[in-house]
Amino acid sequence: SSELTQDPAVSVALGQTVRITCQGDSLRSYYASWYQQKPGQAPVLVIYGKNNRPSGIPDRFSGSSSGNTASLTITGAQAEDEADYYCNSRDSSGNHLNWVFGGGTKLTVL
Amino acid sequence: EVQLVQSGAEVKKPGESLKISCKGSGYSFTSYWIGWVRQMPGKGLEWMGIIYPGDSDTRYSPSFQGQVTISADKSISTAYLQWSSLKASDTAMYYCARRRTTVTTDDAFDIWGQGTMVTVSS
Repeated sequence: SSELTQDPAVSVALGQTVRITCQGDSLRSYYASWYQQKPGQAPVLVIYGKNNRPSGIPDRFSGSSSGNTASLTITGAQAEDEADYYCNSRDSSGNHLNWVFGGGTKLTVL
Repeated sequence: EVQLVQSGAEVKKPGESLKISCKGSGYSFTSYWIGWVRQMPGKGLEWMGIIYPGDSDTRYSPSFQGQVTISADKSISTAYLQWSSLKASDTAMYYCARRRTTVTTDDAFDIWGQGTMVTVSS
């Protein structure tokens, strides 16, 4: 099955912009979706498709994709954005009704 | 309100069986796929499998095929994840999540259950 690779940890100064990336062959065929998970809580969908935000997600969150890389950008990071972020996409190898998660990126807001 | 509500925490011994549940409400349960995700303590999210309650079409991640069984009872809007013989390594938080659409360009899991913690220890 496919794999998605994320940097384990990223940090950003309060109010600055940060990009979290996700690489994998499946991203050439499918968009990534992005999930925010805070300690002790269930994941929350923040970006899906080309660059769509569910209702209630601040517009400082955006997504993009190029080739085998998907990115989640937070423009003007806030303290409450400190969390783990996971990318997810469908598996483009074999069983296409299978999904795969990236290993997650721990975002620290300084 | 659209929501998925999971069953409560479980403590089991190795070799025991277990079935945990995920009840959907506020939407047409039979029209949306439900996926299951494992998160071992201190680790990341792992995709386990998915079921379409409308016809019980089920797919498993190769990593979990044969290790768990996913099912659904559409009459009570509930999906299940079960084990026939638990191992200590099954200790984890398990989440169910609704797939928002079958449209490829907008695919994602938009509603998540609160999680069920399963602890397997002798």
